[in-house]
Amino acid sequence: QSALTQPRSVSGSPGQSVTISCTGTSSDVGGYNYVSWYQQHPGKAPKLIIYGVSKRPSGVPDRFSGSKSGNTASLTISGLQAEDEADYYCCSYAGGDTLVFGGGTKLTVL
Amino acid sequence: EVQLVESGGGLVQPGGSLRLSCAASGFTFSSYSMNWVRQAPGKGLEWVSYFGNSGSIYYADSVKGRFTISRDNAKNSLYLQMNSLRAEDTALYYCARDGGAAYEMDVWGQGTTVTVSS
Repeated sequence: QSALTQPRSVSGSPGQSVTISCTGTSSDVGGYNYVSWYQQHPGKAPKLIIYGVSKRPSGVPDRFSGSKSGNTASLTISGLQAEDEADYYCCSYAGGDTLVFGGGTKLTVL
Repeated sequence: EVQLVESGGGLVQPGGSLRLSCAASGFTFSSYSMNWVRQAPGKGLEWVSYFGNSGSIYYADSVKGRFTISRDNAKNSLYLQMNSLRAEDTALYYCARDGGAAYEMDVWGQGTTVTVSS
């Protein structure tokens, strides 16, 4: 149950696009289409923004999109807005009904 | 309104025990699998345990043998019994609902804080 690997930080200007990667193994990210992404603002509970690699829950703007290639999943945020500044976590099913999170990425909107 | 409310956190000495509760409302609790997730101060999220709606139970290696997850569908409640607590168990503990599609956690509580210190 090793944590998935995410960049510690990314940044972008309003209106730009940023991509956050999430690298695992064939036993988690690469083995299943069960990757989810969570947004967490300071002092708040995490919020689901992507599930099943690329599906968006109701109410999540289509500026948020997810994809996967091999053992790496990605979250892309287009048209960056100030309110997108937050921590982002990926999470993958890892077999045997266990889950593993990434270490988290801090997004700064310049 | 769909809601999860955790309680039971507090300060406990190393080696001690604590029982966390999560009260669910606004949805049919028995139909959903549930998770506990924790976040150490200034750190990332860590999955702790899962209780499936069919009764399956799983734990992270870091808590296996020390923590016990349980649920009472009649009381719409999820629990986490934590024994042999260590300093590294200090964290904000969240209860989270499994959305049922792809192991996503679609509803989260606000968390309850556990501090393990002498």
